[in-house]
Amino acid sequence: KQEVTQIPAALSVPEGENLVLNCSFTDSAIYNLQWFRQDPGKGLTSLLLIQSSQREQTSGRLNASLDKSSGRSTLYIAASQPGDSATYLCAVSSGYSTLTFGKGTMLLVSP
Amino acid sequence: ETGVTQTPRHLVMGMTNKKSLKCEQHLGHNAMYWYKQSAKKPLELMFVYSLEERVENNSVPSRFSPECPNSSHLFLHLHTLQPEDSALYLCASSQEMRDMDTQYFGPGTRLTVL
Repeated sequence: KQEVTQIPAALSVPEGENLVLNCSFTDSAIYNLQWFRQDPGKGLTSLLLIQSSQREQTSGRLNASLDKSSGRSTLYIAASQPGDSATYLCAVSSGYSTLTFGKGTMLLVSP
Repeated sequence: ETGVTQTPRHLVMGMTNKKSLKCEQHLGHNAMYWYKQSAKKPLELMFVYSLEERVENNSVPSRFSPECPNSSHLFLHLHTLQPEDSALYLCASSQEMRDMDTQYFGPGTRLTVL
């Protein structure tokens, strides 16, 4: 059974810092990996999707990497801003669009 | 605005009540999903519908009953729930039920069972 772990569970940084969120998964037979953002009281917003054949994806200040063989992914956020404060969720797809999620990393960026 | 709406946004019900959650997507997608998000637990996939047929049911108790009358609407009928069913219920949709398709999520319904 696929399990997804995210470290750290919570992170507090001052504005402007670069930071890294970590995600690991137990079964490397995945089709893709996604990073989502969840704001309090709201649903999920997809940030980046990395196919299993890809190594990384970039969108603005976000960069996600994937090392499928070691079962790891990182989400790098450059020059963090207070508006980046949210919970970040990692999810892997092991087939038929069924996603397995981690518990998330709660990020707080203070001005 | 993600194109996926859910009603109600908040619901409080007793264990003997019967209620329904509604999801509607305006994206022209063919696959829809129900997820449960409990405190301190990962999101759990409950049901998947593709072209109005249920294709996934992850051992969900029968007190949860999904219905997909058409590709734009998805319901979750609730009856005789337990307090541990209190959670955020999220609906999502995707173009098809393919791994390459991004899932778009609604804002969720916060359910409290007394």
